Amino acid sequence: DAGVIQSPRHEVTEMGQEVTLRCKPISGHNSLFWYRQTMMRGLELLIYFNNNVPIDDSGMPEDRFSAKMPNASFSTLKIQPSEPRDSAVYFCASSTDREATEAFFGQGTRLTVV
Amino acid sequence: KQEVTQIPAALSVPEGENLVLNCSFTDSAIYNLQWFRQDPGKGLTSLLLIQSSQREQTSGRLNASLDKSSGRSTLYIAASQPGDSATYLCAVLSGTYKYIFGTGTRLKVLA
Repeated sequence: DAGVIQSPRHEVTEMGQEVTLRCKPISGHNSLFWYRQTMMRGLELLIYFNNNVPIDDSGMPEDRFSAKMPNASFSTLKIQPSEPRDSAVYFCASSTDREATEAFFGQGTRLTVV
Repeated sequence: KQEVTQIPAALSVPEGENLVLNCSFTDSAIYNLQWFRQDPGKGLTSLLLIQSSQREQTSGRLNASLDKSSGRSTLYIAASQPGDSATYLCAVLSGTYKYIFGTGTRLKVLA
């Protein structure tokens, strides 16, 4: 397996534009996580899906952020409209939903909003 | 609410030293604890996974221990090398199967 695949790797956009980040989890994994990493706040969990259903979205900062998982092999995180304070590295991770599970991370998307 | 803390925040040591990185968590009801390594500008690489029923795990020069009752884990790195320079993160799996991360320890091993 190629691991967790995220795209794009880098994104530069102007304030107010819509941004869509994409993630393909490891085949067979039924849990998917979106994290945001900044120098100030470290790694923050934004949202967690299990079997394509959002289980916990308490970390989603505000209504400008939305996430979907239309099937087991694809998820998106959308920011509309984007703001400079959204600049961060966004990571996607996947695992199985059992106690013995190990989380695997993608390489991240570095988002810069100017 | 689970909170994870790592100390020290940064560490700089000469090559060859044995190191101990610390991780503490506030809620002992965890399923497992995982140590990760992150190189600058890169993603997270899993190093060791310790189940809640286990006391330690070893991989090469790395040894991680878990004391669930006291809410602590340590990552021991033997005979450190410059290639070990990175940020080390611990994460606990608890609650509704979500991972909560510590703030990380930035390690620099000097040649």
